[in-house]
Amino acid sequence: AQTVTQSQPEMSVQEAETVTLSCTYDTSESDYYLFWYKQPPSRQMILVIRQEAYKQQNATENRFSVNFQKAAKSFSLKISDSLLGDAAMYFCAPTHAGGTSYGKLTFGQGTILTVHP
Amino acid sequence: GAGVSQSPRYKVAKRGQDVALRCDPISGHVSLFWYQQALGQGPEFLTYFQNEAQLDKSGLPSDRFFAERPEGSVSTLKIQRTQQEDSAVYLCASSLARGQTYEQYFGPGTRLTVT
Repeated sequence: AQTVTQSQPEMSVQEAETVTLSCTYDTSESDYYLFWYKQPPSRQMILVIRQEAYKQQNATENRFSVNFQKAAKSFSLKISDSLLGDAAMYFCAPTHAGGTSYGKLTFGQGTILTVHP
Repeated sequence: GAGVSQSPRYKVAKRGQDVALRCDPISGHVSLFWYQQALGQGPEFLTYFQNEAQLDKSGLPSDRFFAERPEGSVSTLKIQRTQQEDSAVYLCASSLARGQTYEQYFGPGTRLTVT
């Protein structure tokens, strides 16, 4: 079974600054994807960024980037030039690959990000 | 087109009542997931459908939970004889096809409160 640990229950950042959210996971699989999802107070979950485990290059999506360390099973999210709209709960979630490979997600406990003006 | 929709958005049930939660996935999406999210926690997997076939129900917490997707589109999660520990937000997600490469699109959730 996969386990996901987000060790920062809450983080805060000043608008326009940079913040990094941490995530570690445990899996016995070699082929999997990793996702960061954002859940604003309205509760609709939105995909922020994804990383394919077989790719060494870290994924980047506009102001969002990841630091993926496969051997250490670490997958942190960096948010640059923070905006007030970035305030939300952030979840790290690897997929299950396995034989059926249908993409079931295992979520971490989440990190609440507050952005101060 | 429209995103994933869920109804009702809020449901209050007395302990022992049966409830039915509906999910309308994005049209054409093959895969459909149900997750349960307790307050302040991350969602936990309940069950997975590929079209009308329920391929994984390993996350359903008890036999009081039942899910169906008879025509491969709309899905219903039914909870019989609700208990207080069933209080949570129930999230539905759909994705275009089977496989981990496909993004899951989430609905707004149904908040169930059992009194």
